Amino acid sequence: QKEVEQDPGPLSVPEGAIVSLNCTYSNSAFQYFMWYRQYSRKGPELLMYTYSSGNKEDGRFTAQVDKSSKYISLFIRDSQPSDSATYLCAMSGGNYGQNFVFGPGTRLSVLP
Amino acid sequence: NAGVTQTPKFQVLKTGQSMTLQCAQDMNHEYMSWYRQDPGMGLRLIHYSVGAGITDQGEVPNGYNVSRSTTEDFPLRLLSAAPSQTSVYFCASSYTGLSLYNEQFFGPGTRLTVL
Repeated sequence: QKEVEQDPGPLSVPEGAIVSLNCTYSNSAFQYFMWYRQYSRKGPELLMYTYSSGNKEDGRFTAQVDKSSKYISLFIRDSQPSDSATYLCAMSGGNYGQNFVFGPGTRLSVLP
Repeated sequence: NAGVTQTPKFQVLKTGQSMTLQCAQDMNHEYMSWYRQDPGMGLRLIHYSVGAGITDQGEVPNGYNVSRSTTEDFPLRLLSAAPSQTSVYFCASSYTGLSLYNEQFFGPGTRLTVL
């Protein structure tokens, strides 16, 4: 079993739809959870991060962590064609110098 | 401020050839790392460095060498290229060691094909 699982998609939605992206993980030591966005042929860029369980909102984006279920989500409201990208989840135990574990990414297409 | 730069953008090698992927950052970051990205596998850490003169292995170090003689540069060397090393390689840097509060900045990637 991979340490971090993520549905690779592709996921196609119409413009304006609410998008739900998810990751599951197996390591209960993970405490820090991140979402990266990667446009085609570009490097990943940090979108959001959360610590432990709970929700965090930033504009049209909401990150949710449920540590009891080992499940994290990213919601995108009012999706735009510019949101078309691959979304990678990443997580870490949080100890200084501890490396991140990345999910394989979900490819999202928002159709105008 | 160029951020993280990588050269070359594309490279084709024959099995057994060696080459160096270049990575540089101008943000005075202490921490630098190399990842490879393969379909369905996510980003996997190859090697990382917490400062000049200090390097360590990541998840998939075999077949790769690194050194860190300056803060700015962190080259990745393929010793004897194999088709299994066909991948997209990303260099990343952050201010200090990995933590929630130290965002990693990624370069644009190098697409390597080994025939």
